[in-house]
Amino acid sequence: EAQVTQNPRYLITVTGKKLTVTCSQNMNHEYMSWYRQDPGLGLRQIYYSMNVEVTDKGDVPEGYKVSRKEKRNFPLILESPSPNQTSLYFCASSLFRGQGTNGELFFGEGSRLTVL
Amino acid sequence: AQSVTQLGSHVSVSEGALVLLRCNYSSSVPPYLFWYVQYPNQGLQLLLKYTTGATLVKGINGFEAEFKKSETSFHLTKPSAHMSDAAEYFCAVSAGGSAGNKLTFGGGTRVLVKP
Repeated sequence: EAQVTQNPRYLITVTGKKLTVTCSQNMNHEYMSWYRQDPGLGLRQIYYSMNVEVTDKGDVPEGYKVSRKEKRNFPLILESPSPNQTSLYFCASSLFRGQGTNGELFFGEGSRLTVL
Repeated sequence: AQSVTQLGSHVSVSEGALVLLRCNYSSSVPPYLFWYVQYPNQGLQLLLKYTTGATLVKGINGFEAEFKKSETSFHLTKPSAHMSDAAEYFCAVSAGGSAGNKLTFGGGTRVLVKP
């Protein structure tokens, strides 16, 4: 089954304790991205990657890091989490437009993070 | 830069009534437009996507959206609401280019369906 898998789905942590949210897709997509969802703000892009070892900042990258060492994996790293990073996080992937799609994103089921 | 405005953060409809969710976008280039649905505790699922040249786009679960370039709108409708339509709906626009497949989302509209 084609899917984007995120772990953990739920996490409560404390300020300053480093954490990693993993993301893996099995659709051979080049493009991957992380979003955060906050009430009334919709989803905002944190980082994206257009291929292995190619990453770039989205709209709200402060406090986050990513890496893309393999095509299927795109982990999100919070080196020193703070309470304002309490949010619902989504990983997504897609083919590029021109590969038979409009570039629509396929989303994971989300990771709800609470930073105390 | 792209932006999306969804009018109404909450919409309440009766079962069997018309569902109308409004979306207006701004884009400096011809846009790629999408509607996504999010059911409780789930990720976002593609409902439908705009295809160049079409004005009326059909999606899953009986939803459709009308593209009006002159009004920069992409409103979502369903003729008859079901209880299972209770969810949050997001309109999104993409322009591609150097940002790849980045989607810019509206703030979302939560739909409540009353029996």
